[in-house]
Amino acid sequence: GQNIDQPTEMTATEGAIVQINCTYQTSGFNGLFWYQQHAGEAPTFLSYNVLDGLEEKGRFSSFLSRSKGYSYLLLKELQMKDSASYLCAVMDSNYQLIWGAGTKLIIKP
Amino acid sequence: GAVVSQHPSWVICKSGTSVKIECRSLDFQATTMFWYRQFPKQSLMLMATSNEGSKATYEQGVEKDKFLINHASLTLSTLTVTSAHPEDSSFYICSATPMAGADPAINEQFFGPGTRLTVL
Repeated sequence: GQNIDQPTEMTATEGAIVQINCTYQTSGFNGLFWYQQHAGEAPTFLSYNVLDGLEEKGRFSSFLSRSKGYSYLLLKELQMKDSASYLCAVMDSNYQLIWGAGTKLIIKP
Repeated sequence: GAVVSQHPSWVICKSGTSVKIECRSLDFQATTMFWYRQFPKQSLMLMATSNEGSKATYEQGVEKDKFLINHASLTLSTLTVTSAHPEDSSFYICSATPMAGADPAINEQFFGPGTRLTVL
């Protein structure tokens, strides 16, 4: 079966750095997405990785290792507004997104 | 960026009634639209994939006669929850992908703001 694993909840301090991990097992791979979702709102796109390596976009970076079925989202200089759920999703061989359950990130002052 | 709207943003209805939710791509044409459901503190659950002009493909366990999907144009898809019951109360989110011609490997989904359905 297809499976996406990510931690349920993480806590970090304002101004610090946090890494959210995601491991996956899917039938085929056509890229991995990270989305941010604030409570009661729809997800918003953060990043897309299809090749191994690190993609940096401002305070957020995303890393992918296809051989290990592993990705992480790195958030730097954390701000209170970064408190949200972060969803990892993998596009399988049928170009269908398989969603992880999301990681709730709590930022403390 | 691409914008997707949903209407209504929230709805409260009585058990047994039907509710229609609209999903529109405002500044692009969407060959494919997706309907998701999300219960509190849970991840997105894909309900169905809708392609313009054809029947929707439903995920296992989703009743196609209860959740009617119509994708009549390249900018509009509707989800009708028929004979709604309290257990159908959830956050319903649609997403859309642009027409073929965009890089299919990217295939980013643009999400609507969601519709919160409460069935009394």
